[in-house]
Amino acid sequence: NAGVTQTPKFQVLKTGQSMTLQCAQDMNHEYMSWYRQDPGMGLRLIHYSVGAGITDQGEVPNGYNVSRSTTEDFPLRLLSAAPSQTSVYFCASRATGLAGGGDTQYFGPGTRLTVL
Amino acid sequence: AQSVTQPDIHITVSEGASLELRCNYSYGATPYLFWYVQSPGQGLQLLLKYFSGDTLVQGIKGFEAEFKRSQSSFNLRKPSVHWSDAAEYFCAVAPGSSASKIIFGSGTRLSIRP
Repeated sequence: NAGVTQTPKFQVLKTGQSMTLQCAQDMNHEYMSWYRQDPGMGLRLIHYSVGAGITDQGEVPNGYNVSRSTTEDFPLRLLSAAPSQTSVYFCASRATGLAGGGDTQYFGPGTRLTVL
Repeated sequence: AQSVTQPDIHITVSEGASLELRCNYSYGATPYLFWYVQSPGQGLQLLLKYFSGDTLVQGIKGFEAEFKRSQSSFNLRKPSVHWSDAAEYFCAVAPGSSASKIIFGSGTRLSIRP
């Protein structure tokens, strides 16, 4: 298993540009999440999904869109990038609800995004 | 409001000394609790977790954590740190077994003094 993969690893955008951060997992996990990591603020949840076709907002959803058309993929879209979105983005997945053994969350290697 | 607090931004300890990293949560019921470690330039790795039962849980790399309901705390400990333990540590909480979200604290950066 490749686990959770993210592409690209690094990206530089200009203000106003759009892009999609890709996330894929090959563990057949139902739950997937996107976090951003900023110095001194830890990881903040952007959006999450509990299965194909189901998404919901996290703590900091503004400026980001997600969709979940398949179990494997959970892309994060920036429609009009802003400097405040400069961050490191992590995708994560876990099997099921916590009580069902889905307590271990697997993280991707991250995407470092800079918006000029 | 639900929250996770790690009051120490940066801690420095000498190699071989003991370590305690603090974590406090604010939730109505007993949440699911986690500690993760992030080495420089790396993703996050799960150290340990607590759901129920024995309030002292053992994790990987010699770490342990104790859940104290009366103090709403889940502090991480290690009896003797190694230089390789230098990293950032995150406490995380999920508010119950049906929770869809896992929320992270702001992290504590650990430095090791030779």
